[in-house]
Amino acid sequence: GNSVTQMEGPVTLSEEAFLTINCTYTATGYPSLFWYVQYPGEGLQLLLKATKADDKGSNKGFEATYRKETTSFHLEKGSVQVSDSAVYFCAPLMNTGFQKLVFGTGTRLLVSP
Amino acid sequence: DVKVTQSSRYLVKRTGEKVFLECVQDMDHENMFWYRQDPGLGLRLIYFSYDVKMKEKGDIPEGYSVSREKKERFSLILESASTNQTSMYLCASSFHLAVLSYEQYFGPGTRLTVT
Repeated sequence: GNSVTQMEGPVTLSEEAFLTINCTYTATGYPSLFWYVQYPGEGLQLLLKATKADDKGSNKGFEATYRKETTSFHLEKGSVQVSDSAVYFCAPLMNTGFQKLVFGTGTRLLVSP
Repeated sequence: DVKVTQSSRYLVKRTGEKVFLECVQDMDHENMFWYRQDPGLGLRLIYFSYDVKMKEKGDIPEGYSVSREKKERFSLILESASTNQTSMYLCASSFHLAVLSYEQYFGPGTRLTVT
């Protein structure tokens, strides 16, 4: 069936460290892929997206590449900031009779100065 | 800016009460969604609506109902609240036809506690 697996958190990093948050999925076909971010006390907002194989989504220094061969969409940032502390959700757009986003369990990132 | 607002940020209700959670969006979006967010489980879709008076069950509709009488407003109803419905509830909206750019806009959430 359709599912998404995201690495468990919390991920604790010092400022300027390199970040990777892993995301893999199982799906029929090639879904569009999204990363959403939830800052403390707020709803989710779209961080970046990729709609086909080998596409790279990027925003605010974050990047993720659509890897069809490994069905993955890992989130990376070269140098994190304290303000990046949030919960990150991977979300493929699955076709389950209707199109819907299937959210991962979320990964909490804590960045210390 | 797209705005999705939810009627309350925090709500405390008693077991057995009927609970209404309201969501309003100001971008003329066709689609509206209700999710609940629980630690370790991520977001789970309760119901969604793709047009006025239309609704579809999501993954966990049991114990919930919805109402969409106007395009901008989508209500989630807990007919008889139970303690296992204590959760964060998130509303979202999106355009209908933007399949490849399926951005959902979220409200700030309502943290519901049922005692």
